[in-house]
Amino acid sequence: EAGVAQSPRYKIIEKRQSVAFWCNPISGHATLYWYQQILGQGPKLLIQFQNNGVVDDSQLPKDRFSAERLKGVDSTLKIQPAKLEDSAVYLCASSSGSQETQYFGPGTRLLVL
Amino acid sequence: AQSVAQPEDQVNVAEGNPLTVKCTYSVSGNPYLFWYVQYPNRGLQFLLKYITGDNLVKGSYGFEAEFNKSQTSFHLKKPSALVSDSALYFCAVRASLQTGANNLFFGTGTRLTVIP
Repeated sequence: EAGVAQSPRYKIIEKRQSVAFWCNPISGHATLYWYQQILGQGPKLLIQFQNNGVVDDSQLPKDRFSAERLKGVDSTLKIQPAKLEDSAVYLCASSSGSQETQYFGPGTRLLVL
Repeated sequence: AQSVAQPEDQVNVAEGNPLTVKCTYSVSGNPYLFWYVQYPNRGLQFLLKYITGDNLVKGSYGFEAEFNKSQTSFHLKKPSALVSDSALYFCAVRASLQTGANNLFFGTGTRLTVIP
């Protein structure tokens, strides 16, 4: 079974630029999550989707971050404009249901200069 | 509020010796507890979870964890460490009463180094 796919794996941008990350969950997984992992910390949930609806986005900085999952499969996370403190690894995870074990992708490492 | 504490940033153990990575948690109601491992430039890999039932949970790669409700702990253990076990280990918790949202709260991680 293929795992969670993410791209790009690495991204370097200057502050105030925009960036987008893509995630393809495990086939058949209805629930998709985006986490932010700052160096030296554990992952922090940004947003959770159930199919194409948002379940929890309470930790998403909505003034600059946005995410969508239009067809209930792939998802994109966007940052516009980026700040230095957005430098982190962005992890996508999926689960077969909203109460089930989450499986993570390899992450996208973002460096904002 | 939910939280996880991993009191040790770094654990060193000799190859072949038993290892323990500590985790304590705080949650309202009954906890769901998880251990994940992260290798360099890789995402988190699921090791094991406790939902209910037997307090000793067995997972991947020979790892196990013991749920202790009175001590609010969920320590990760392995009887005999391998050099390939060297990685970053994360403990995570969510409340069983949490409906809809499946928000995992992670600890800050413990770096395990197994010395040949």
